[in-house]
Amino acid sequence: NAGVMQNPRHLVRRRGQEARLRCSPMKGHSHVYWYRQLPEEGLKFMVYLQKENIIDESGMPKERFSAEFPKEGPSILRIQQVVRGDSAAYFCASSPGLAGGMNEQFFGPGTRLTVL
Amino acid sequence: TQLLEQSPQFLSIQEGENLTVYCNSSSVFSSLQWYRQEPGEGPVLLVTVVTGGEVKKLKRLTFQFGDARKDSSLHITAAQPGDTGLYLCAGARDDKIIFGKGTRLHILP
Repeated sequence: NAGVMQNPRHLVRRRGQEARLRCSPMKGHSHVYWYRQLPEEGLKFMVYLQKENIIDESGMPKERFSAEFPKEGPSILRIQQVVRGDSAAYFCASSPGLAGGMNEQFFGPGTRLTVL
Repeated sequence: TQLLEQSPQFLSIQEGENLTVYCNSSSVFSSLQWYRQEPGEGPVLLVTVVTGGEVKKLKRLTFQFGDARKDSSLHITAAQPGDTGLYLCAGARDDKIIFGKGTRLHILP
């Protein structure tokens, strides 16, 4: 059973370009979460999605950032017009979304975004 | 406001020593997870505790959930260099999981 897959593992962009980060959840998992982590810091929640729905985007910057989890295919975190401050590790996690149960999150290896 | 406070933030000890790290909150959680993250990798789930007062052991690691389900501790016996990493606690409440900032542990050989 493959774990959470993220690609690319490393992404370099120049200021003003777009960054697209992909996440394929574990098989059978319908819930996806995106987090950002700066060096020497913990995980900062960005957005929580189920298939075709954004459940909670309270941690997502209002501008330039968007996320989707289509019916088919991976979840995508898109950052438009990147700035140097967007440089960070972006982690995706998935959970089975069990109603009323504990929803342990399983993390992917992350995408390290560097903005030049 | 940081809902989950982890302490200490940093800990550097000699191989063979024992240590305890803490995860505290004023909020009640339905469950709490501990993760370990190594440099360049994603967090790896170590354990989930659900019941107040629950104790779980994973080899030399002992996890305890507070009676009121507001706090947790992780105790490592006879620490080894392989225990080095960032230890994160995460509390589940409603449909959200909230992470602490982590304890960065360094075990010196």
